[in-house]
Amino acid sequence: DIQMTQSPSSLSASVGDRVTITCQASQDIRNYLNWYQIKPGKAPKLLIYAASNLETGVPSRFSGSGYGTDFVFTISSLQPEDIATYSCQHYDDDLPLTFGGGTKVEI
Amino acid sequence: QVQLQESGPGLVKPSDTLSVTCSVSGGSMDPYAWNWIRQPAGKGLEWIGRIYLSGVTNYNASLKSRVTMSLDTSNNQFSLKLTSVTAADTAVYYCARERYTYGGNWCFDLWGRGTPVTVSS
Repeated sequence: DIQMTQSPSSLSASVGDRVTITCQASQDIRNYLNWYQIKPGKAPKLLIYAASNLETGVPSRFSGSGYGTDFVFTISSLQPEDIATYSCQHYDDDLPLTFGGGTKVEI
Repeated sequence: QVQLQESGPGLVKPSDTLSVTCSVSGGSMDPYAWNWIRQPAGKGLEWIGRIYLSGVTNYNASLKSRVTMSLDTSNNQFSLKLTSVTAADTAVYYCARERYTYGGNWCFDLWGRGTPVTVSS
């Protein structure tokens, strides 16, 4: 199975701060990497697909980059509504699909 | 606007079968794949498996012997059955739509809010 190592597991930042989360794959996954926002009691939300593509309707302060094994997710200016857990996920024909352990973002 | 809504038992006894259904409203189930994902408290997300509209299924090998997924396109629903449950199966169970993006990548572009299931006697 492809392992996704996400860090940090939690972080605390101030409104307006730049927040960066990394995700490392155990093998080359090209750009088959997606990012999600998870809030308790709400439907998880797709933010970034194929490593760097912003899903329609998602604010431009969210971005992603990377290729191969190393990926980065950034919130350029943290807002109060961004308090959530963020998770990376790889796609591959070689199953199972796996997620990173998640990063809990607090203010 | 397409929405997904899970419905589940809330509480299941150990060794029993967990059954959860996802209702798709506001749109067609075609041409997507339909997935189940779960999250135990304090842990990361775990992919359980998917079902295509053809009826073909893919399951996580770690659960394969206990999982069955089915489809009811006439009612825009799909379901998950997990047999012989233990406390380790306690989690929030999500259904999710899987969409092709480009270049071979797929993503979960629409999710339900999740239904919590506790395994306890």
